Amino acid sequence: AQSVTQPDIHITVSEGASLELRCNYSYGATPYLFWYVQSPGQGLQLLLKYFSGDTLVQGIKGFEAEFKRSQSSFNLRKPSVHWSDAAEYFCAVGPSSGGSYIPTFGRGTSLIVHP
Amino acid sequence: GAVVSQHPSWVICKSGTSVKIECRSLDFQATTMFWYRQFPKQSLMLMATSNEGSKATYEQGVEKDKFLINHASLTLSTLTVTSAHPEDSSFYICSAPYRDRGVSPLHFGNGTRLTVT
Repeated sequence: AQSVTQPDIHITVSEGASLELRCNYSYGATPYLFWYVQSPGQGLQLLLKYFSGDTLVQGIKGFEAEFKRSQSSFNLRKPSVHWSDAAEYFCAVGPSSGGSYIPTFGRGTSLIVHP
Repeated sequence: GAVVSQHPSWVICKSGTSVKIECRSLDFQATTMFWYRQFPKQSLMLMATSNEGSKATYEQGVEKDKFLINHASLTLSTLTVTSAHPEDSSFYICSAPYRDRGVSPLHFGNGTRLTVT
């Protein structure tokens, strides 16, 4: 069965600092990988996704993520964090068969941004 | 593209009453939609898969008679919380897969905050 681990419950950074949120997955083959962001009281917004090809994926809002097969990781990064990035971030993994599927979500990492 | 609209964004109801939550795919067709429940500071818990024109598929432990799901068209799914109790208070989020180059990442509504008094 597939699973996702986000080892950090909370991450605190200063505005302007760089950010890396960790995500490790367990899956038998190359999965589809996603990062979502959730602002308080809102639904989830897709930041970026990895299907295949280039292992460095660019997303919206200046975020990027790198797929590392050897480490079963898909860490999210941003070079300079803005106060508006404070939110909950979810990593998700889905099976690599095509079509509709139900992804598995990590427990989330809460990002706190200090001015 | 891939906008999912959820309504209402919040609702307060009395114990014993029923509440209906609507989820619409605005610019695409969704034969499948998913309903999630989210407790404070926790991840998403899948409640059920809504299938257009057929019965919903419920996850283990979710009461199908309490959480009625109807998916009458390719753009609308509804979740009705029947005979609501305070323990049903939660944040409910719907989502729909939107096909993108052969894969279908989920796109989410903005959620509904249900408070049962």
